Amino acid sequence: SAVISQKPSRDICQRGTSLTIQCQVDSQVTMMFWYRQQPGQSLTLIATANQGSEATYESGFVIDKFPISRPNLTFSTLTVSNMSPEDSSIYLCSVEFQGGEQYFGPGTRLTVT
Amino acid sequence: AQTVTQSQPEMSVQEAETVTLSCTYDTSENNYYLFWYKQPPSRQMILVIRQEAYKQQNATENRFSVNFQKAAKSFSLKISDSQLGDTAMYFCAFMILSGTYKYIFGTGTRLKVLA
Repeated sequence: SAVISQKPSRDICQRGTSLTIQCQVDSQVTMMFWYRQQPGQSLTLIATANQGSEATYESGFVIDKFPISRPNLTFSTLTVSNMSPEDSSIYLCSVEFQGGEQYFGPGTRLTVT
Repeated sequence: AQTVTQSQPEMSVQEAETVTLSCTYDTSENNYYLFWYKQPPSRQMILVIRQEAYKQQNATENRFSVNFQKAAKSFSLKISDSQLGDTAMYFCAFMILSGTYKYIFGTGTRLKVLA
């Protein structure tokens, strides 16, 4: 398995600002994923981030709004840009490990006022 | 398109009893994995069990087992001897072995274990 940490664990931000969420893994992994989860709801994939290539975004998510960096095999960031209250959610990163299993970070709870 | 359906939004079970959570999926693919994840109120997602579609034998992990019916596209999770710590949201997930490793999640079942 993998140990995954996220920073910050929660934040309250003003609309129009940006927040960068960090995801750190204790081992090298090729594939990382970023999800959004409304409280009590299921997970929606935002993008897949592979080291050395541009992130691949899912339908409904664009790079200008959710820029992602993946500078090495243990770290990634997701930025939520020009935030609005609709961006209030839990953001989770995960890594693919050992043939398909994904391991998740503890999540970042974002509230936009 | 692939879909995953969990038809039970909420369930409850008495401590030490057995409960079964339902999951059905739709795909035209033949090679895929299925997973059950648990998300306690603390929010960290934890892998409970995994099933490879090419395996006929149902996966088991201690008190957790699955009933995998490939033809019916059904993948239910059985929790035996339920414990208070099993209280959580349970998500069924599906992944095609196509190289993208993307998951498709169901909507979740909120399970409450009663003392």
